[in-house]
Amino acid sequence: AQTVTQSQPEMSVQEAETVTLSCTYDTSESDYYLFWYKQPPSRQMILVIRQEAYKQQNATENRFSVNFQKAAKSFSLKISDSQLGDAAMYFCALKTSYDKVIFGPGTSLSVIP
Amino acid sequence: DAGVTQSPTHLIKTRGQQVTLRCSPKSGHDTVSWYQQALGQGPQFIFQYYEEEERQRGNFPDRFSGHQFPNYSSELNVNALLLGDSALYLCASSYSDRANTEAFFGQGTRLTVV
Repeated sequence: AQTVTQSQPEMSVQEAETVTLSCTYDTSESDYYLFWYKQPPSRQMILVIRQEAYKQQNATENRFSVNFQKAAKSFSLKISDSQLGDAAMYFCALKTSYDKVIFGPGTSLSVIP
Repeated sequence: DAGVTQSPTHLIKTRGQQVTLRCSPKSGHDTVSWYQQALGQGPQFIFQYYEEEERQRGNFPDRFSGHQFPNYSSELNVNALLLGDSALYLCASSYSDRANTEAFFGQGTRLTVV
């Protein structure tokens, strides 16, 4: 079975500071993909960043970057220079091949002005 | 490109009734997945449709059924509604032949069962 765990139900960060959201996962597959999705109050699930398991280099998208530790099955998200618009629920997600996406329980991020 | 569209946005039903939710995938996408997201939780996979057939199914009862049409749009049907079916229902579309692409989500249908 595939699982995704997010151990931080809530996090807060001061505007312009850096915050790291944690995620661990479990899968027996060797080929899989990891995602971080953002869900603001508008409910729209928005892709923040993705990582292919076969790539050793950590993915980066502007202020967002990941720390992918394949052996430890860890996939954390770092948000730099946090902005008020970053406040949302963040979901870590795992997808193997053509399989369904498995989501973690989410982390609620607050940004303090 | 309109992205993934879902209708209706909100719905209130009475316990025991039946409901149908609709989803139009992003242009070019041929696979549609449905998720149930209870308040404060992550989305839970219900099922996935490809080529008008259910390809995968999560741990949901047979009261949950679906359909995919030739134009790739999809419906989710829930029979004999229970109070516990109250949730946000998300539809996601993707390409079948690109395993590494992310799913694109609609804004969801908020179902309230009273």
